[in-house]
Amino acid sequence: DQQVKQNSPSLSVQEGRISILNCDYTNSMFDYFLWYKKYPAEGPTFLISISSIKDKNEDGRFTVFLNKSAKHLSLHIVPSQPGDSAVYFCAASNSNYQLIWGAGTKLIIKP
Amino acid sequence: NAGVTQTPKFRVLKTGQSMTLLCAQDMNHEYMYWYRQDPGMGLRLIHYSVGEGTTAKGEVPDGYNVSRLKKQNFLLGLESAAPSQTSVYFCASTGPASSYEQYFGPGTRLTVT
Repeated sequence: DQQVKQNSPSLSVQEGRISILNCDYTNSMFDYFLWYKKYPAEGPTFLISISSIKDKNEDGRFTVFLNKSAKHLSLHIVPSQPGDSAVYFCAASNSNYQLIWGAGTKLIIKP
Repeated sequence: NAGVTQTPKFRVLKTGQSMTLLCAQDMNHEYMYWYRQDPGMGLRLIHYSVGEGTTAKGEVPDGYNVSRLKKQNFLLGLESAAPSQTSVYFCASTGPASSYEQYFGPGTRLTVT
């Protein structure tokens, strides 16, 4: 039973345009959500997070939106840059310091 | 400040051999984790530790053992390697001040033939 789902294995976006990565979850007890970025042959690195008491969090070009009623969150990257090409993982926590991970979405930024 | 380091980076084992993966962190984090990542799948938790001397099973613990004798180190052991354990292994750590953000090592690519 996959509690965190990223239904798009890959996404291709033109440089300078908006990239939107989606994530759905099933467990209503999740109260904290994180996005990680992973380059090949490296460990995942933290990108941005959001608490369940908020519906939006912004950090520079990155914004995460949370829709609790739909159990859906999305990561927006504006504008997309070539260095954003990576695999993006969505993860969720229910306050126990364990994270449940989605399968990842490979983002390709085309020049 | 090295963050989280993992040793070795690559390893090839024959079926039935044993090995230990070492994870070290210098951030004084309480919590440490071992994950495996397989193609098309997210990170799956093997074992974790909430403090020195404590360990607990994660989602996929079978075939692995762990030890946390020192706060900064978390060891993952494979007693009798199987081809199904071919994977990339990541160690991570976090602490109460980190808001659930986990810091990852660079990974160990293990192939079992």
